[in-house]
Amino acid sequence: DQQVKQNSPSLSVQEGRISILNCDYTNSMFDYFLWYKKYPAEGPTFLISISSIKDKNEDGRFTVFLNKSAKHLSLHIVPSQPGDSAVYFCAASPSQGGSEKLVFGKGMKLTVNP
Amino acid sequence: EPEVTQTPSHQVTQMGQEVILRCVPISNHLYFYWYRQILGQKVEFLVSFYNNEISEKSEIFDDQFSVERPDGSNFTLKIRSTKLEDSAMYFCANDNWREANYGYTFGSGTRLTVV
Repeated sequence: DQQVKQNSPSLSVQEGRISILNCDYTNSMFDYFLWYKKYPAEGPTFLISISSIKDKNEDGRFTVFLNKSAKHLSLHIVPSQPGDSAVYFCAASPSQGGSEKLVFGKGMKLTVNP
Repeated sequence: EPEVTQTPSHQVTQMGQEVILRCVPISNHLYFYWYRQILGQKVEFLVSFYNNEISEKSEIFDDQFSVERPDGSNFTLKIRSTKLEDSAMYFCANDNWREANYGYTFGSGTRLTVV
């Protein structure tokens, strides 16, 4: 049962352009959403999060948008840089913090070409 | 920036053998987790641990798996009798609910190869 879906396995963009990574979820109990970036041979690194009470959260070049009615969130990276090339995971949790587990999507490989 | 340290980085073991994966969590963090990622698949939750006991475990976390904090600092995952399908990257993670806005901190993982 895929509660968190990242339907596109990969994305390739040119440096300087916008990268848009999409994520859909099915569990209406999810209340907190996170994006992680993962380089080969490293663990996932927290990137940005959003609570369900918001529809947008911005941190530098990274912005996450949440559409609760559509159960959809997206990560925008602008401008994209070659160092952003990594696998990006969308994750969701029923609450913010505590002992709640994260449910991850399958990940999406982003390649930013110089 | 505080780090979660995992050892070993790579472990090769014979099927049926016991393995212990170790994690040194960030001090003062209260919640501990193990996740795994089979090659090419998503990161999956195994178990969460709080106040020296398991809070939640997934279907993957069967009787072959156990976790403990043997000395109050290290956090270990033991697989009693490994199977080929246990081959995966195993990630330890911490979360301090007071800092939950910043998400979980993951270790760099242990690659377990069962042969």
